[in-house]
Amino acid sequence: EDKVVQSPLSLVVHEGDTVTLNCSYEVTNFRSLLWYKQEKKAPTFLFMLTSSGIEKKSGRLSSILDKKELFSILNITATQTGDSAVYLCAPADSGGSNYKLTFGKGTLLTVNP
Amino acid sequence: NAGVMQNPRHLVRRRGQEARLRCSPMKGHSHVYWYRQLPEEGLKFMVYLQKENIIDESGMPKERFSAEFPKEGPSILRIQQVVRGDSAAYFCASSPDITDTQYFGPGTRLTVL
Repeated sequence: EDKVVQSPLSLVVHEGDTVTLNCSYEVTNFRSLLWYKQEKKAPTFLFMLTSSGIEKKSGRLSSILDKKELFSILNITATQTGDSAVYLCAPADSGGSNYKLTFGKGTLLTVNP
Repeated sequence: NAGVMQNPRHLVRRRGQEARLRCSPMKGHSHVYWYRQLPEEGLKFMVYLQKENIIDESGMPKERFSAEFPKEGPSILRIQQVVRGDSAAYFCASSPDITDTQYFGPGTRLTVL
């Protein structure tokens, strides 16, 4: 069975800090890994990673994938209170059920002013 | 372009009643996915539908749960004879085809009294 472990489960920082969120996964037929940000409503898409070692950036957020070590990280620099949310990672399977996203429990990030 | 729409946003039912959850995918998206998020748990895949077809319902409980995506109108997730354990957030996602990122709706929070 596919497995996703995110760490830490929760994190409290001050505005301006830099954070690194971790995601390790075991997927039988890996296709890609997606990161989402979930506030009190819809998970919002952040990144899709398919290749190892290539960093994706969007403003203060960046993410990278290591397909050999089955690992991805999400970095947020100069955090703001609006970054407070649950961050979810979800690997996608490329096998017969390649539409299924398997989600981790998420990392709850709280950014205090 | 409106995002994925779900209604109602909150639904309260007594044990034994029926719950109907609706999902309108993004314009141009013909693939719909339903996920359930239990308290303290990650999002879990339930069912994948295309117009008028259920492609994979392997994540859906075999009894009391059904889903449809008719030619016209929203996708419906139906839960008959609800029990307290059905209390959860139910998210719908859509994509234009099977290989693309899934975009999530705001969810329906079902509470069973």
